[in-house]
Amino acid sequence: GQSLEQPSEVTAVEGAIVQINCTYQTSGFYGLSWYQQHDGGAPTFLSYNALDGLEETGRFSSFLSRSDSYGYLLLQELQMKDSASYFCAVTNNAGNMLTFGGGTRLMVKP
Amino acid sequence: KAGVTQTPRYLIKTRGQQVTLSCSPISGHRSVSWYQQTPGQGLQFLFEYFSETQRNKGNFPGRFSGRQFSNSRSEMNVSTLELGDSALYLCASSPSLRQVGETQYFGPGTRLLVL
Repeated sequence: GQSLEQPSEVTAVEGAIVQINCTYQTSGFYGLSWYQQHDGGAPTFLSYNALDGLEETGRFSSFLSRSDSYGYLLLQELQMKDSASYFCAVTNNAGNMLTFGGGTRLMVKP
Repeated sequence: KAGVTQTPRYLIKTRGQQVTLSCSPISGHRSVSWYQQTPGQGLQFLFEYFSETQRNKGNFPGRFSGRQFSNSRSEMNVSTLELGDSALYLCASSPSLRQVGETQYFGPGTRLLVL
């Protein structure tokens, strides 16, 4: 089976940097993804890491360490619109199934 | 390109009834996955289809079933509805040659309420 752990809530101020951690235990692993979901909306793909290291896309970066079964999402220059839930998800080694973490609710304050 | 579309967007059913939800993936995408999202259980994988074949199934009872058509459109069916089936049902599509984790696009979901 697969299980993922991430903090349930994080609060930060506008302009700050926040890191959302994700640790996972899996019986098969292909990659780690991150999704953003605003209240009432659908999850939106943010990033994907299959190899160790840092992937940067604008203000968002994602990191993976396969040996530590750990990854994180880094959000820089926080804006109010970044207030949302963020989910990490593991792709199984067949590449056809995503298992999601419980989500981290990020609140950005002025 | 048009995004993933799901119909209907909202649905109210009573216990014991059955329901069919529809999903049209992004044009050219051949992989379609279904998820159930509830406040208590989070986002849970239901099943994934590729070229009309179910490639993987999550840990849900047999009341949950699905299928995919030759045009990649997919349907999921829930029979003998229970109160606990009230949830947001999300469909997601991926390009055929990539792993689902690399790029998966979600539809707006169907919100099902079982009374």
